[in-house]
Amino acid sequence: NAGVTQTPKFQVLKTGQSMTLQCAQDMNHNSMYWYRQDPGMGLRLIYYSASEGTTDKGEVPNGYNVSRLNKREFSLRLESAAPSQTSVYFCASSVRAGANYGYTFGSGTRLTVV
Amino acid sequence: DAKTTQPNSMESNEEEPVHLPCNHSTISGTDYIHWYRQLPSQGPEYVIHGLTSNVNNRMASLAIAEDRKSSTLILHRATLRDAAVYYCILRDVAFYSGNTGKLIFGQGTTLQVKP
Repeated sequence: NAGVTQTPKFQVLKTGQSMTLQCAQDMNHNSMYWYRQDPGMGLRLIYYSASEGTTDKGEVPNGYNVSRLNKREFSLRLESAAPSQTSVYFCASSVRAGANYGYTFGSGTRLTVV
Repeated sequence: DAKTTQPNSMESNEEEPVHLPCNHSTISGTDYIHWYRQLPSQGPEYVIHGLTSNVNNRMASLAIAEDRKSSTLILHRATLRDAAVYYCILRDVAFYSGNTGKLIFGQGTTLQVKP
């Protein structure tokens, strides 16, 4: 049982390049989330998907797009990377939105934009 | 979203109990109290959650005040592996348009465990 899998684990981008962070869960969860964590800070919600076919903005959505490809997969895209997007990105999932269940997090993608 | 207040840092000795406090004076009736922890260089990990009654699991215990305006996460015997940032988060699980019970993280409490 892998839980939440994120790829890649590390990435270095040049300013202006684009990339997609991948996230997949094998727990049949309905809801998925993308967070970012800057050094010494708590996590901030970028986008979330309450269920397959829906996505909504979180606290810090600017500069990002998301795709809920199917129930298992939720990707985060940076169209034109900026140094301010240097961060650790975490994907998470939960049984369903508004449910009395915990989140399961992936191990993170460390992104550096130079 | 209702807010929580936690101390920035705490210290504990190994094999002693640890009580991590959390204040949430504006908690609503549908807010669950969730605790997560984040070990260095890892993603957050679910610890425990509850609504009104005290809760126990293999990792910790959660003691909730009768008025629900505060709670305490209890680690019964701290180990060096418990050194982490602990987040107390209120999660509104009343599902309605615009509310999906998403977790909003604060700064948390950094727990140091001394050998």
